[in-house]
Amino acid sequence: DQQVKQNSPSLSVQEGRISILNCDYTNSMFDYFLWYKKYPAEGPTFLISISSIKDKNEDGRFTVFLNKSAKHLSLHIVPSQPGDSAVYFCAARGVQGAQKLVFGQGTRLTINP
Amino acid sequence: GAGVSQSPSNKVTEKGKDVELRCDPISGHTALYWYRQSLGQGLEFLIYFQGNSAPDKSGLPSDRFSAERTGGSVSTLTIQRTQQEDSAVYLCASSSIAGRPHEQYFGPGTRLTVT
Repeated sequence: DQQVKQNSPSLSVQEGRISILNCDYTNSMFDYFLWYKKYPAEGPTFLISISSIKDKNEDGRFTVFLNKSAKHLSLHIVPSQPGDSAVYFCAARGVQGAQKLVFGQGTRLTINP
Repeated sequence: GAGVSQSPSNKVTEKGKDVELRCDPISGHTALYWYRQSLGQGLEFLIYFQGNSAPDKSGLPSDRFSAERTGGSVSTLTIQRTQQEDSAVYLCASSSIAGRPHEQYFGPGTRLTVT
């Protein structure tokens, strides 16, 4: 039962353009959604989060959009930089008050010069 | 300030042996989590500690897995009689109950290989 899904295993974007990473979820009880970035041989690094009562949160080059009716969220990176090349995970929290995060399977983003 | 630290960074063990993995959370963080990431998969929740409350063990895959958190700080994840399917990267995270408790901060992980 995959409650959080990232359907694109990989994405390639040209430097300077917009990167859009997508995530779908099935459980409407999640209260927070988060994006993490992971480099090889390192732990995930927190990027940005959004509460389920919001539809947008912005932090510098990163913006997360939440569409609750579609149970869909996306991460926009503008402009994309070579250092953004990594695996991106979306995660969701809060089913039945649980603190654990439920993760998607990740999308490998490659920024081409 | 110092982040979450984990040791060892790599562990190779023979099938059937026991292993202990250690996590030192961010100072002042009262919540501590263990996850694991198998090859090509997302992160899978194992166990959660919050202060002196009973831990949430709902993610532990079998009774060979156990974890302790001593003094509200350092945690040890123990895997008994390791199997090849236990091979994965084991990640520890911590969060603060104040502010934004949903934001979990991860350590670098322990890569466990069972031969």
